[in-house]
Amino acid sequence: SQQGEEDPQALSIQEGENATMNCSYKTSINNLQWYRQNSGRGLVHLILIRSNEREKHSGRLRVTLDTSKKSSSLLITASRAADTASYFCATDPPGSYQLTFGKGTKLSVIP
Amino acid sequence: DVKVTQSSRYLVKRTGEKVFLECVQDMDHENMFWYRQDPGLGLRLIYFSYDVKMKEKGDIPEGYSVSREKKERFSLILESASTNQTSMYLCASSTRGMTLGSNQPQHFGDGTRLSIL
Repeated sequence: SQQGEEDPQALSIQEGENATMNCSYKTSINNLQWYRQNSGRGLVHLILIRSNEREKHSGRLRVTLDTSKKSSSLLITASRAADTASYFCATDPPGSYQLTFGKGTKLSVIP
Repeated sequence: DVKVTQSSRYLVKRTGEKVFLECVQDMDHENMFWYRQDPGLGLRLIYFSYDVKMKEKGDIPEGYSVSREKKERFSLILESASTNQTSMYLCASSTRGMTLGSNQPQHFGDGTRLSIL
């Protein structure tokens, strides 16, 4: 069952601009993860944020988590054409082995 | 680096055939997963395995079975392929978390684009 929902479904920006993607989910979680998928390839893990964390950074990526609103955001700063990809959030409810993925945000960065 | 290898990038089969998709990981991961990805539907979990010879149904197991005889290998079997099983199939693996539900990052193969004619 789909738990995470990304917003927007598609986003087009100029190189150098910041890109923000949002994820909402329905049930309590242990952690939330973000993945990137280049066209025709598998998913690549970007960052994991635990339910007791509010913000996490990794290079040009910044992830926030608001468990009271059941939402997360992924910010990519100073975007590059190579950032063009689909981005997915994934959640894992307590007591489950599964990750549940959203449908993704398709990001296009125009050179 | 973790490497998850799927046996084929592209595969074309006929309706009614028995189809095997193979996945091998080289990082001694306990957990392995099979997903299918369709436009507008995202990733959907078919089956997963948390140990050798163990398997659990995911969200859409109908028409599929799996086999995990060795820790590094997880096979997806389409018992009698049908056209609605045309899709991108993704295999993933992960190490086991400290507690049930504490999922670790998953490492994905590059996928098999399967067409059933």
